[in-house]
Amino acid sequence: DSGVTQTPKHLITATGQRVTLRCSPRSGDLSVYWYQQSLDQGLQFLIQYYNGEERAKGNILERFSAQQFPDLHSELNLSSLELGDSALYFCASSAMSDGNTIYFGEGSWLTVV
Amino acid sequence: AQSVTQLDSQVPVFEEAPVELRCNYSSSVSVYLFWYVQYPNQGLQLLLKYLSGSTLVKGINGFEAEFNKSQTSFHLRKPSVHISDTAEYFCAVRENSGYSTLTFGKGTMLLVS
Repeated sequence: DSGVTQTPKHLITATGQRVTLRCSPRSGDLSVYWYQQSLDQGLQFLIQYYNGEERAKGNILERFSAQQFPDLHSELNLSSLELGDSALYFCASSAMSDGNTIYFGEGSWLTVV
Repeated sequence: AQSVTQLDSQVPVFEEAPVELRCNYSSSVSVYLFWYVQYPNQGLQLLLKYLSGSTLVKGINGFEAEFNKSQTSFHLRKPSVHISDTAEYFCAVRENSGYSTLTFGKGTMLLVS
């Protein structure tokens, strides 16, 4: 158990819909990362937050957005969903003292039908 | 920009045999290197990391990796594998310059039988 909690574990939704994935980082970790894992693209970095502020942005679509709240939990919002958005979405966190050790949650499986 | 190439998508091996999973990276600056393992239906777990110092890095579960700067490689090895090592292994790189995020390779599926 990495200490990073993601909900929901599985989600099936229709095209055009909007979903929210939630992440609770390890206790005390200020950095939260979101990754997308798909068969064709592999593991892609989406976005990072540090103590509530956006720190880095990767291959995140404009239809996707994220935020980190004062209690440090984070949410990834995916809207106008397409079939190609079906993937495993990982949240990860790291401590301020050791940004090179990143702990991953078990992921949220999103299936768009 | 940094990139990672994992040369083998799948490596079958018999139990108790040695294994090497290959990883090459590309970057214009010095890097930090990582290996992660993903067991079925689980998140990614850090196996080992190279930040500086000795080029031979030992990790969990008997794995080790060697950083070779001249060949820009960071191959993962284990002298004797077990059935329980069956999993997907990801090599990742992070540039040691300014601020950068982890870039992952496509992964290598290790199949132990």
